[in-house]
Amino acid sequence: GAVVSQHPSWVICKSGTSVKIECRSLDFQATTMFWYRQFPKQSLMLMATSNEGSKATYEQGVEKDKFLINHASLTLSTLTVTSAHPEDSSFYICSARDQQNTEAFFGQGTRLTVV
Amino acid sequence: DAKTTQPPSMDCAEGRAANLPCNHSTISGNEYVYWYRQIHSQGPQYIIHGLKNNETNEMASLIITEDRKSSTLILPHATLRDTAVYYCIVSPWGSARQLTFGSGTQLTVLP
Repeated sequence: GAVVSQHPSWVICKSGTSVKIECRSLDFQATTMFWYRQFPKQSLMLMATSNEGSKATYEQGVEKDKFLINHASLTLSTLTVTSAHPEDSSFYICSARDQQNTEAFFGQGTRLTVV
Repeated sequence: DAKTTQPPSMDCAEGRAANLPCNHSTISGNEYVYWYRQIHSQGPQYIIHGLKNNETNEMASLIITEDRKSSTLILPHATLRDTAVYYCIVSPWGSARQLTFGSGTQLTVLP
């Protein structure tokens, strides 16, 4: 099946710093990518929908100025957590569907720990 | 998207079939049933999907009732590596919309 790659797999950062997470579709083009967040023992919660060449759409309660999303090409979307705080510590997962709209493929996730 | 209901947890003996149920009584005519699983600290993995016919692939079988209000995912010979949270999701096909995850079923395969 198609492959979605996330980088880094894990990151530890200090409070107040920013962290960028990359999501790449390796063998297909994705006009739409999705960013999820998952806290321990909870399910995945959608944060935002990333559209190539246009502004991302954020879910209610997600601060767009804190979670910056850039989808500059059909194979790359980035999520930047700005001015990170310990409560931003979570598992961040991206997902992409190819242009034929087959099943969604997920990255391996990024474990963010803010200290 | 229609809501799904799954049992929070199930156990299965290694080598036996694991049958995971899902209720989706409000499913619409254009919505497919998808199954994904998430092994601890990894991203979700696609398993199978179907509309109304039963489906089988190398990983699992999907049985959908005739009224489409429920389905069962069958792992024919469960292994320890099948221990994961299994999510049943209904969503229209050919849509760029996101998949909405419920709480899923924690399947534990016991040696």
